[in-house]
Amino acid sequence: DSGVTQTPKHLITATGQRVTLRCSPRSGDLSVYWYQQSLDQGLQFLIQYYNGEERAKGNILERFSAQQFPDLHSELNLSSLELGDSALYFCASSVRGRADTQYFGPGTRLTVL
Amino acid sequence: AQSVTQLDSQVPVFEEAPVELRCNYSSSVSVYLFWYVQYPNQGLQLLLKYLSGSTLVKGINGFEAEFNKSQTSFHLRKPSVHISDTAEYFCAVIQHGSSNTGKLIFGQGTTLQVKP
Repeated sequence: DSGVTQTPKHLITATGQRVTLRCSPRSGDLSVYWYQQSLDQGLQFLIQYYNGEERAKGNILERFSAQQFPDLHSELNLSSLELGDSALYFCASSVRGRADTQYFGPGTRLTVL
Repeated sequence: AQSVTQLDSQVPVFEEAPVELRCNYSSSVSVYLFWYVQYPNQGLQLLLKYLSGSTLVKGINGFEAEFNKSQTSFHLRKPSVHISDTAEYFCAVIQHGSSNTGKLIFGQGTTLQVKP
């Protein structure tokens, strides 16, 4: 158990819908990272937040957005969902100044029908 | 920009045999290197990492990896595998100096299949 929690574990929805994935980092970790794992794209970095502020951005679609709240939990919002958005979404966290040690949550499996 | 290539998509091996999973990377700047393991229906677990110092890095579960700067490689090895090592293995890099930015770049993964 990495100490990073993600909810829900599974999510099934329809095209065009909007969903919110939630991540709680390890106690004391200020950075949260979101990654997408899909069959065709592999594991891709989406976005990083550090202490509430966006710190780095990767291949994140405009239909996706994220935020980190004062209690340091983070949410990834996916809207206007398409079949191709079906993937495993991971959240990871790290302590301040140690991006080289990221602890991954169990992931949320999103299925878009 | 950085990229990671895992040279084998699948590696079948018999139990108690040695195994090597190959990883090459490309980067115009210095990088840190990692190997992660993903067991079925689970998240990613860090096996080992190279930040600096000795080029031979030892990790959990008996795995080790060797950083070769001239060949830009970071191959993962285990002298004797167990059935429980069956999993997906990912090589990854992160740019040096990323003290508060952590964009991990992953390879496509190698499926290790350990047969009895």
